[in-house]
Formats: sequence, structure tokens, C-alpha cells
Amino acid sequence: GDSVTQMEGPVTLSEEAFLTINCTYTATGYPSLFWYVQYPGEGLQLLLKATKADDKGSNKGFEATYRKETTSFHLEKGSVQVSDSAVYFCALRNSNSGYALNFGKGTSLLVTP
Amino acid sequence: GAVVSQHPSRVICKSGTSVKIECRSLDFQATTMFWYRQFPKQSLMLMATSNEGSKATYEQGVEKDKFLINHASLTLSTLTVTSAHPEDSSFYICSASIGDYGYTFGSGTRLTVV
Repeated sequence: GDSVTQMEGPVTLSEEAFLTINCTYTATGYPSLFWYVQYPGEGLQLLLKATKADDKGSNKGFEATYRKETTSFHLEKGSVQVSDSAVYFCALRNSNSGYALNFGKGTSLLVTP
Repeated sequence: GAVVSQHPSRVICKSGTSVKIECRSLDFQATTMFWYRQFPKQSLMLMATSNEGSKATYEQGVEKDKFLINHASLTLSTLTVTSAHPEDSSFYICSASIGDYGYTFGSGTRLTVV
């Protein structure tokens, strides 16, 4: 079945550092890919998405490119802020297996001043 | 934007009792609701999908008689954990589909069974 693998956390960075959170997936067909963010005490929020190969999703300085050849959707940000501290979830949706999201385990990010 | 309100945020119950978790869509109609469960340091695992007015579809390995899902209206879906036991302690999250590629999530319920 479909699955999402993302790097283990926690990740601790200093403010203004470069961020990469790796995400790879296994799926049949042509899934859509997502990054969700969960701030402390809040529900998951969509950060960005890509619905087909080579699409780049971007939002709030974060970017991720749908790479079908490497089955990856790595999240990047050039300069993180303290306010980016949260848990980040990579997810896919595959119409071959319903419309629910299939999540990775989440990566906790802590940005220090 | 589309908001799902989930209550309670935390609940502690005694073993053998039942607990109801509610998710309400505040400003839209949720025809489809997904219920997830999250163990510490694990991903969100889909438990079931419910469509308004019909029976929920449960994922393999999820006991439908233990995790009762009701989606009787377009604005309310409930998950009842019946005869709860300590192994049911977990974080439960609801999510509503809001059109193509869109989902909105409740803030989750931390259930502790003692």
C-alpha cells in the first residue's frame, strides 16, 4: 500500500539557518503530495501542496518540488524563524485508495534565537 | 476559512466507560469526515471515513463496534470510544474534506484511559 517516510526529528536550528526536511513516498498511480504544519496547541494546517510531477508548492517561504523520479517531496526554507517551530507532516492523497490523506510520522522543528 | 471545532481537547476516563468526541464544521457543510488516531512519535493513522447520512467505512484492523462513528448531519460527526481501555489512550483527530485537495482539521482530542 501507499506510504510516506519522512526524516526523524527533532530538528533544532538556529534562526536564519537553512531547513530541509526529507520526505519520500511509495504509491501506485499519481498521488498528490502535501506538507502540513501543526503549531503547538493547534490543528494541522496546509502549508503547501503539489498535484503532479515537477510541480513546486510554495508558501510562507517554504518550498517543495514533486519529484516523481526520486519519489520525493522534500521541504525547504532558506531562512527559518523562531515562529516556524512546529511539527511538519508530509502526506499524500491517492485516488486509487480513497481520498483520505496518508501521513508520515511528522518531524518536530525547533528554531532557537 | 473552513473551521472544524473538535471537543473535548482532553479527556480522562475510567476503564470500561465510553467517551464521545465531537467535531463540528462551523462555517461549511462537511459531507465527508475522516477520523485519525495518532500514537506518540507515530504518523496519523486513518481509522474511518464517514459520509453524512451513511455508515462509516472503517480501515482494516479498526473495530467498528468499539469506535462508533455517527455523521447524522452536515455539521456534526462524532466518534464514541466504547468500553475504553488503557490501550485506547491516544490522540484522536478529525478532518473534513473541503473540496478538491482541501482538508481542514480539528485540533485533536487527547484521550487517557486509567
